[in-house]
Amino acid sequence: AQKITQTQPGMFVQEKEAVTLDCTYDTSDQSYGLFWYKQPSSGEMIFLIYQGSYDEQNATEGRYSLNFQKARKSANLVISASQLGDSAMYFCAMRESLYNFNKFYFGSGTKLNVKP
Amino acid sequence: DAMVIQNPRYQVTQFGKPVTLSCSQTLNHNVMYWYQQKSSQAPKLLFHYYDKDFNNEADTPDNFQSRRPNTSFCFLDIRSPGLGDAAMYLCATSRDVRGGDSTDTQYFGPGTRLTVL
Repeated sequence: AQKITQTQPGMFVQEKEAVTLDCTYDTSDQSYGLFWYKQPSSGEMIFLIYQGSYDEQNATEGRYSLNFQKARKSANLVISASQLGDSAMYFCAMRESLYNFNKFYFGSGTKLNVKP
Repeated sequence: DAMVIQNPRYQVTQFGKPVTLSCSQTLNHNVMYWYQQKSSQAPKLLFHYYDKDFNNEADTPDNFQSRRPNTSFCFLDIRSPGLGDAAMYLCATSRDVRGGDSTDTQYFGPGTRLTVL
């Protein structure tokens, strides 16, 4: 089974609107971390936000927030007030704690296009 | 600023001609990774080091080798590049989280885009 699933290959959003990028995960570890990265066309992978499995509150970083639903094993990224510079690929990733704890499992990514 | 540096940013090689990509870091992280990423796909982990402990992925071709002479540097050697090896190669680092702390993210370099002629 895939560890990370992103079901939206591409998304469009109007500038200044909010958008949600979906991510579901699969793990039997009790302790794990979930990460979102942004990759512009230049290619560099930029860390956006982190959610720990024991965190009771959803993570927020500026315009980014993570809608964490542990029972559903989902960790959706919400971008508020989209900007043209948000157009990029977005990857969800997970890091487990017990086995292979130095490996990051990536989803297939979502390409976000922000329309003016 | 502490960072991950990759050189060169763009590399052109000929079919079958060995090529080496380099990565250095000033973060003093003990884990270093090499990923291969093709257009619009997720990064594919080739291998990673925990200190000098080398961890190869089962599906990484023998054509890909790596060296880590010290904490700061890591090299990716492609012994006989084929057309299918044209891709972006990303180096990343992280702190080791042995013991159950999964909070640390990876820090990525800008990548080396490899073209095989």
